[in-house]
Amino acid sequence: AQSVSQHNHHVILSEAASLELGCNYSYGGTVNLFWYVQYPGQHLQLLLKYFSGDPLVKGIKGFEAEFIKSKFSFNLRKPSVQWSDTAEYFCAVNGRHNQGGKLIFGQGTELSVKP
Amino acid sequence: GAGVSQSPSNKVTEKGKDVELRCDPISGHTALYWYRQSLGQGLEFLIYFQGNSAPDKSGLPSDRFSAERTGGSVSTLTIQRTQQEDSAVYLCASSSTVGGNIQYFGAGTRLSVL
Repeated sequence: AQSVSQHNHHVILSEAASLELGCNYSYGGTVNLFWYVQYPGQHLQLLLKYFSGDPLVKGIKGFEAEFIKSKFSFNLRKPSVQWSDTAEYFCAVNGRHNQGGKLIFGQGTELSVKP
Repeated sequence: GAGVSQSPSNKVTEKGKDVELRCDPISGHTALYWYRQSLGQGLEFLIYFQGNSAPDKSGLPSDRFSAERTGGSVSTLTIQRTQQEDSAVYLCASSSTVGGNIQYFGAGTRLSVL
C-alpha cells in the first residue's frame, strides 16, 4: 500500500535549536518527494522537492532534506530554527511516471518554536 | 489568476443538505486536484482531473461526492446529503507539466455540517 509516515506529531523547540523531522514512505516505483508547510492561517506552500539527481535538496528559508533511497526516507532539516518557523509540516510522495500525480501525504508534524 | 482560488472560504450547512464548492485553478494549469483535510485523517486525495482525460475518482469516499471540471478550468465539488463526518477543509490544487507538476494549493473551503 502507498503510505507516508511522519514520526513526530508535535515538536517543540527553542529558537536556534536544530530541527530534524522524519519522513518514511512506502510506494511502488520511482518517486517524487515533497515537503509542504502550512503556517497558521495560511494555505499549504511548497518548502522543497526531490525529483532526481543530488539527494540533498535545499528549499526556502534555510530548510533542506535528504533522500535516502535504501531507507525510503526523506527527512527535513534546519540547523537553526526561528519563531517564524512555527507551522505544520507535511511530507508527501507521488509517482514519477504515469501515477496520476496525486499526492500521498503524511499525517503532518506540528512544530512550535519558543522565542 | 495569481493563485488557486476557492470559494466559499467557509460553509456551514445542515445535515442532509447538498453543498457545492468551487475551485478556480492557476491559469494554464491542466491538472486539478481535490483533497480533504480533517482532524484524525490528515490530508486525503479525493479526485484528479488531467486535461480531457477521464478523472481519477479513486479517492472519493462515497457516491455522495462528485466533481466536474468545465472547459478544462473551473471545478466544482458537490457533496449530496451532507453528513457530520463530511466536516473538513476541502483543498484544491492545480499543476502544470511545465515545472514538474508541482501542485499549488488554494486556501481551502472549511465545511461545517451541523
